[in-house]
Amino acid sequence: DVKVTQSSRYLVKRTGEKVFLECVQDMDHENMFWYRQDPGLGLRLIYFSYDVKMKEKGDIPEGYSVSREKKERFSLILESASTNQTSMYLCASRRTPNTGELFFGEGSRLTVL
Amino acid sequence: SQQGEEDPQALSIQEGENATMNCSYKTSINNLQWYRQNSGRGLVHLILIRSNEREKHSGRLRVTLDTSKKSSSLLITASRAADTASYFCATASNTGNQFYFGTGTSLTVIP
Repeated sequence: DVKVTQSSRYLVKRTGEKVFLECVQDMDHENMFWYRQDPGLGLRLIYFSYDVKMKEKGDIPEGYSVSREKKERFSLILESASTNQTSMYLCASRRTPNTGELFFGEGSRLTVL
Repeated sequence: SQQGEEDPQALSIQEGENATMNCSYKTSINNLQWYRQNSGRGLVHLILIRSNEREKHSGRLRVTLDTSKKSSSLLITASRAADTASYFCATASNTGNQFYFGTGTSLTVIP
């Protein structure tokens, strides 16, 4: 079975802290994505990576950065967390653009106080 | 933003009835997909329809696509309480590199 694992289901951080959200997939997928999900706004794309060390900004990259040093791992970094970054963060992966289907992790619910 | 929109935002039906959700999107697409999300969990892929297809079936699911109207519908027949979830449409750009999700329809199936 395919698996996308997000390191933490629930996190509570303080304003100004640096936050790392880790995502690992075991399917040798090329593409990986980070979304945030907020009520009434659906899923919004933060960053995606179509290969190792490659990254592209999505719709809402401000306040976030990403790292993809290895194919299986895609990290989302909040350099200085703010309360408006309180949200559900979802990681997804896909084999290649032509295969379409995204596989999602269970999500990381981040609360910034 | 290229984000799509689902309609209705919320839907409540009796078990055994059919549920229909609609999705509208804004730009040309390579394909359109539907996903399901149980409360507090990740999304699970249901079905994909390509831009040159008009209708597709998978079990109790039927999806239609009208590229001229930039819209799609998801029909769940003979609904069950276990179908209670949020349903999202997602569109892939023509390059296939970017993926955009709609705002979701929350479906409640009453036993």
